[in-house]
Amino acid sequence: DTAVSQTPKYLVTQMGNDKSIKCEQNLGHDTMYWYKQDSKKFLKIMFSYNNKELIINETVPNRFSPKSPDKAHLNLHINSLELGDSAVYFCASSQGGRASYEQYFGPGTRLTVT
Amino acid sequence: KQEVTQIPAALSVPEGENLVLNCSFTDSAIYNLQWFRQDPGKGLTSLLLIQSSQREQTSGRLNASLDKSSGRSTLYIAASQPGDSATYLCAVRPSGGKLIFGQGTELSVKP
Repeated sequence: DTAVSQTPKYLVTQMGNDKSIKCEQNLGHDTMYWYKQDSKKFLKIMFSYNNKELIINETVPNRFSPKSPDKAHLNLHINSLELGDSAVYFCASSQGGRASYEQYFGPGTRLTVT
Repeated sequence: KQEVTQIPAALSVPEGENLVLNCSFTDSAIYNLQWFRQDPGKGLTSLLLIQSSQREQTSGRLNASLDKSSGRSTLYIAASQPGDSATYLCAVRPSGGKLIFGQGTELSVKP
């Protein structure tokens, strides 16, 4: 299936731990994004990569570090997890990074920090 | 600063009814507007994308309109079905590439 996939789907961990979320798309897109959806269901962009280059970096704590090994993958590493990091994290992709192009979303990773 | 507002926050209708979801945005300088559907515990499914030069887009029972000058978009759902129950999200794309989302309208269609 052509899609945006994320692993894991659920992640439960304790405060202070370091964790990673992986994202892969097989749509042939060269721009990928990370969004965070908080408990109030509000979605907000965190990062965007185009051709493995960071192009959007919102006001996100530097405990969050995205890494794009190639155009098809964008991983999110989080250090020293805090309770406030609990949320659903969505990966998305689009073609070329141009404003006219549609974004496709993955199924989300529900992170719970205890 | 671009802000996106969706009204109502929640809507419950009987099956078969036609309905309209509203989205407003504060800055008309957008490239496009996208409507998504989100089912509980699931990701976002793109429904319709309207470019800034377009007035409307249709897909099946869905019709989305865009009035950029007034900062408004509507999503019209004809002959609603229980399977349409979900949260509907509106997002605008200003320059810079990122999507800015509204907080969604939670729709419940009762059989």
